Amino acid sequence: RKEVEQDPGPFNVPEGATVAFNCTYSNSASQSFFWYRQDCRKEPKLLMSVYSSGNEDGRFTAQLNRASQYISLLIRDSKLSDSATYLCVVNERASGTYKYIFGTGTRLKVLA
Amino acid sequence: EPEVTQTPSHQVTQMGQEVILRCVPISNHLYFYWYRQILGQKVEFLVSFYNNEISEKSEIFDDQFSVERPDGSNFTLKIRSTKLEDSAMYFCASSVFVGQSVYEQYFGPGTRLTVT
Repeated sequence: RKEVEQDPGPFNVPEGATVAFNCTYSNSASQSFFWYRQDCRKEPKLLMSVYSSGNEDGRFTAQLNRASQYISLLIRDSKLSDSATYLCVVNERASGTYKYIFGTGTRLKVLA
Repeated sequence: EPEVTQTPSHQVTQMGQEVILRCVPISNHLYFYWYRQILGQKVEFLVSFYNNEISEKSEIFDDQFSVERPDGSNFTLKIRSTKLEDSAMYFCASSVFVGQSVYEQYFGPGTRLTVT
């Protein structure tokens, strides 16, 4: 099983739609969770950290389910500028140090 | 807003040559990282660095790779003898301790390494 798994997509949605992405992780000892977005040939940019209680930032909502080992990202009222690849990132603790594991990303295309 | 910077933006080198990729992390950050992303593939962790030593490295980070913080600001990745398969985008990142367990990383714009 892959350490961090995402549906690669692409998800093609019309402007204004609500879209949800899921991500599963294999290491139950994982400590922290993040969503990044990556535009083509650019660096990953932090979208939001994912907290146990869930968190919201404007149109974006992230949820964490530790029991089932998955995190989700919900985007409401999609904009054309939301088109990007969304990366799920998990921070694992091993031997006192931390390692970040990236998923392959889910590609979103918002259509006019 | 402070940001991570990387130089050069693009490096072309011949197989077998040594390359040094440079990064200036955000000034109050304590942890530094290198990642690579082969075109069309996922971001892969190479190494993390804290308190002037490597804290974690992946299987990719073999003896051909080394990292250094030669002064108070730069963080470098050296590839001793480049191979064709080292062609990739190399991202530097840095993070600061936030609370007990959340480490938000900030990435530089990357160096595209092309090995011919």
